[in-house]
Amino acid sequence: GQQVMQIPQYQHVQEGEDFTTYCNSSTTLSNIQWYKQRPGGHPVFLIQLVKSGEVKKQKRLTFQFGEAKKNSSLHITATQTTDVGTYFCAGPTRGSTLGRLYFGRGTQLTVWP
Amino acid sequence: DTAVSQTPKYLVTQMGNDKSIKCEQNLGHDTMYWYKQDSKKFLKIMFSYNNKELIINETVPNRFSPKSPDKAHLNLHINSLELGDSAVYFCASSQDETSDQETQYFGPGTRLLVL
Repeated sequence: GQQVMQIPQYQHVQEGEDFTTYCNSSTTLSNIQWYKQRPGGHPVFLIQLVKSGEVKKQKRLTFQFGEAKKNSSLHITATQTTDVGTYFCAGPTRGSTLGRLYFGRGTQLTVWP
Repeated sequence: DTAVSQTPKYLVTQMGNDKSIKCEQNLGHDTMYWYKQDSKKFLKIMFSYNNKELIINETVPNRFSPKSPDKAHLNLHINSLELGDSAVYFCASSQDETSDQETQYFGPGTRLLVL
């Protein structure tokens, strides 16, 4: 079936270190979306990538969408304690029910001060 | 103003009871969703409605019944609650289900604990 895989499931870093989470789909994605969920909170939309090979930046966050539109990554430079949370990738696959987002299992990031 | 709201925020109940969770969005969106998030943070879609019409109905026990009285509301009724129903339930909405680029806006979640 259609799946969106995300690794790692957990990542513990010291403040100031970099962090990367990877997302892979078994089928081509129409677009990839990234969400962040703070502890005790709800998923909040961060960004959407649509074009093959697209790269977008938000301050210390860099998002990439693969050339084949099957993989994506989120990289955080010099993590801060405010980066703590679970990061999800999600995407609709071609041919899937419109509105249907396939979420990765998320990467739970812990940042030690 | 809260964009997507859910009530109650917390729900503790006994096995076998019936309970409802309500969701409202004031964004003017056409599509609303219910997700279940387990203790490992996995987000699993349950249902989606577009303009009061059921669009997505994943493999969910028929004890779960969604109802959309209008496009701004999507409620979830659960019959005969079981221990395994304990989770966080998120409501979400998006503008238009005919576009595959629509982002989703999540409510604050309802933390359900079945004892």
